[in-house]
Amino acid sequence: KQEVTQIPAALSVPEGENLVLNCSFTDSAIYNLQWFRQDPGKGLTSLLLIQSSQREQTSGRLNASLDKSSGRSTLYIAASQPGDSATYLCAVRLPGANNLFFGTGTRLTVIP
Amino acid sequence: EAGVAQSPRYKIIEKRQSVAFWCNPISGHATLYWYQQILGQGPKLLIQFQNNGVVDDSQLPKDRFSAERLKGVDSTLKIQPAKLEDSAVYLCASSSLRGLALEQYFGPGTRLTVT
Repeated sequence: KQEVTQIPAALSVPEGENLVLNCSFTDSAIYNLQWFRQDPGKGLTSLLLIQSSQREQTSGRLNASLDKSSGRSTLYIAASQPGDSATYLCAVRLPGANNLFFGTGTRLTVIP
Repeated sequence: EAGVAQSPRYKIIEKRQSVAFWCNPISGHATLYWYQQILGQGPKLLIQFQNNGVVDDSQLPKDRFSAERLKGVDSTLKIQPAKLEDSAVYLCASSSLRGLALEQYFGPGTRLTVT
């Protein structure tokens, strides 16, 4: 059974700092991995999607990497801003399945 | 392109009452998902539809939860009777069958509180 873990559960950083969020999964035979952002009282917004054949994806100040063999992904946020404060979730999809297995999330607070 | 719509946004009921949630997916998306997100946890899949057929409902507590997707578009999720542990955010998502990514798009969710 696929299990997805995110460490740390919560993180506070001062504005302007670069930071890394971690995601690990137990079954390395994934189809793709997706990072989401969730703001309080709102749904999930997709940030980056990495196919199993890819090593990383970038969007603006965000960079996500994938090491499938070790079952790990990282989300790097450069020059953090207070507006980045949210919960960040990673999720993996298995081959032949459409549903996502989610981690428990990292709650990020960027202090002005 | 309009996103996934859900209603109501919030619902408070007493235990043993019934409740229904509605979801309208992105136009043209064949696959629709209902997820349950308990506070402090990641979303967990309850049921997945492809068009109007059920693909996966292995995690749906069928003694009290039911869902349908008539005509392969809108969907409703019902809980009857509700228990305290059903307090959660219920998220609806949809995805297109086209393309390799099969990226899921999520609605804002319905926050259910059972007292």
